[in-house]
Amino acid sequence: SQELEQSPQSLIVQEGKNLTINCTSSKTLYGLYWYKQKYGEGLIFLMMLQKGGEEKSHEKITAKLDEKKQQSSLHITASQPSHAGIYLCGARTEGSSNTGKLIFGQGTTLQVKP
Amino acid sequence: KAGVTQTPRYLIKTRGQQVTLSCSPISGHRSVSWYQQTPGQGLQFLFEYFSETQRNKGNFPGRFSGRQFSNSRSEMNVSTLELGDSALYLCASSLYVGKATDTQYFGPGTRLTVL
Repeated sequence: SQELEQSPQSLIVQEGKNLTINCTSSKTLYGLYWYKQKYGEGLIFLMMLQKGGEEKSHEKITAKLDEKKQQSSLHITASQPSHAGIYLCGARTEGSSNTGKLIFGQGTTLQVKP
Repeated sequence: KAGVTQTPRYLIKTRGQQVTLSCSPISGHRSVSWYQQTPGQGLQFLFEYFSETQRNKGNFPGRFSGRQFSNSRSEMNVSTLELGDSALYLCASSLYVGKATDTQYFGPGTRLTVL
């Protein structure tokens, strides 16, 4: 099984709707990162969460970290076609907490219908 | 500041050949990490370099190697290419290594196709 599990794997929403993507770790988290990727391109950094209960927002995207549950959620409010892409969570976990190695989830593909 | 750059963007090689990919980190960043992305395995860590030294290595065969130069630029090499090496190779740079709050910024990737 994956060390970082993302759900759902894919999502199709109508423009203007809200949505949530979850990322759950089977190990203790030492820093959780959210990235966005357009197919076949590089990853664009969105947000980094480190402390339990931490919440960060950028434009219409909010990410939260629940340290106890070893889980993070990414919430998009009033989705737009520009939000379409693949969302990836990455993390340092036990065994890689003091390294540059990030473990990644399998990604969530988001389509936004105009 | 310019972002992470990777060259070339696309490569087509045949089995048995070798390939070298290049990565220039963000100015001032000293750590470079390499990842392989495939549809089946997702994003997997290859190795990490800091101050010209390999600090960590992922679970890949010895055909995959890399190095870092004094200006922090990095190269990775894959020898005796196999069909399964077809992937998007991503380079990421960060200021330090091993700092929990250190963010990795990714380049656009090199798409390698092995025929």
